[in-house]
Amino acid sequence: NAGVTQTPKFRILKIGQSMTLQCTQDMNHNYMYWYRQDPGMGLKLIYYSVGAGITDKGEVPNGYNVSRSTTEDFPLRLELAAPSQTSVYFCASSYMGLSYNSPLHFGNGTRLTVT
Amino acid sequence: QQPVQSPQAVILREGEDAVINCSSSKALYSVHWYRQKHGEAPVFLMILLKGGEQKGHEKISASFNEKKQQSSLYLTASQLSYSGTYFCGTGFETGGSASKIIFGSGTRLSIRP
Repeated sequence: NAGVTQTPKFRILKIGQSMTLQCTQDMNHNYMYWYRQDPGMGLKLIYYSVGAGITDKGEVPNGYNVSRSTTEDFPLRLELAAPSQTSVYFCASSYMGLSYNSPLHFGNGTRLTVT
Repeated sequence: QQPVQSPQAVILREGEDAVINCSSSKALYSVHWYRQKHGEAPVFLMILLKGGEQKGHEKISASFNEKKQQSSLYLTASQLSYSGTYFCGTGFETGGSASKIIFGSGTRLSIRP
């Protein structure tokens, strides 16, 4: 059981380039999330999804886009990369909503550097 | 909306106890606790749901007071393996569905032999 898989593990982008961070889960979870974590800081919610075709903004959505066409995949798109987007990006999923004892399962993260 | 964690950092000797607090200015639906080791993903510890409960996990336990919008994580007889950064994540109901989880800034716990 792979859980939550993120690719790539590392990436260096030049300012103004674009890329897609991939996230896929094989646990049939409805809820998926993207967080970013700057060095020495906490996790900031970028976007989340409660099911295929449904997405919503989190705390820091500017500069990012998401889509959720299937239950398994939740890619994060960076357009016109900026140095402020240098961070570690974590994808997470959970089976049920917050009214249940349903923890977040995190992927191993993508370390992105924009120079 | 971000919950406030305190203290920001704690240094303990092995065997000592610690309490980490998490408070919110907004009504909470649930509280998650995670531990993160350096360079790794956060790992789930426990969830507390509204209704005021207390949970235990080996020597790590937590309480949730929904009236005060606070949760506390208790680590007793700390071990070297408890070192890491602890995050509380607070769950909010949005548009009738309970789905958004916002994390605090973390509490860095260092255990010395």
